[in-house]
Amino acid sequence: ETGVTQTPRHLVMGMTNKKSLKCEQHLGHNAMYWYKQSAKKPLELMFVYSLEERVENNSVPSRFSPECPNSSHLFLHLHTLQPEDSALYLCASSQERGIRNTIYFGEGSWLTVV
Amino acid sequence: GQQLNQSPQSMFIQEGEDVSMNCTSSSIFNTWLWYKQDPGEGPVLLIALYKAGELTSNGRLTAQFGITRKDSFLNISASIPSDVGIYFCAGFNAGNNRKLIWGLGTSLAVNP
Repeated sequence: ETGVTQTPRHLVMGMTNKKSLKCEQHLGHNAMYWYKQSAKKPLELMFVYSLEERVENNSVPSRFSPECPNSSHLFLHLHTLQPEDSALYLCASSQERGIRNTIYFGEGSWLTVV
Repeated sequence: GQQLNQSPQSMFIQEGEDVSMNCTSSSIFNTWLWYKQDPGEGPVLLIALYKAGELTSNGRLTAQFGITRKDSFLNISASIPSDVGIYFCAGFNAGNNRKLIWGLGTSLAVNP
């Protein structure tokens, strides 16, 4: 139990579907992240929210839309995805303290786009 | 984007053996983090390092922040079967403490 909970753990969706991934952190952190993990590639940072404000958007296609309603919750809304978007999507959180920043991950949501 | 050079890519060892893996970067880092990931799960933080030369242990695991600030290593002593998994190094380079730079991982297999 890392204190970061993701749902659903597994999701299969068609290319025309709309779905959302949910993340909740119970660590009192002030920053939350979405990462994408594909086989044989380094983890890719998608979005960063600090104090509920989006501070990084790493050239992610608009078919991925994040939402951070408060410091404990983070969503990733998915719409008209492509098969190559199939991957493990990881949520993470941290307490930003100057140059010290330690990131804790959830268990991930396996997404398959058919 | 930038990634870390992590080696070895994979290791197959006997239970009880010690393991060593390392990461190098082309730029100076402020933080080094070591994670372990089991199949189908998210990465779990093992050790965090914040200062050049720092040596930190977590049970049978020991990690060091290289004095050049461009490398780090992780040692596992007396390996056991549950050490199996993929070990990732990651870090923040100077100037950006939000974007973790990752290695490609070291896959560890332990023969009982």
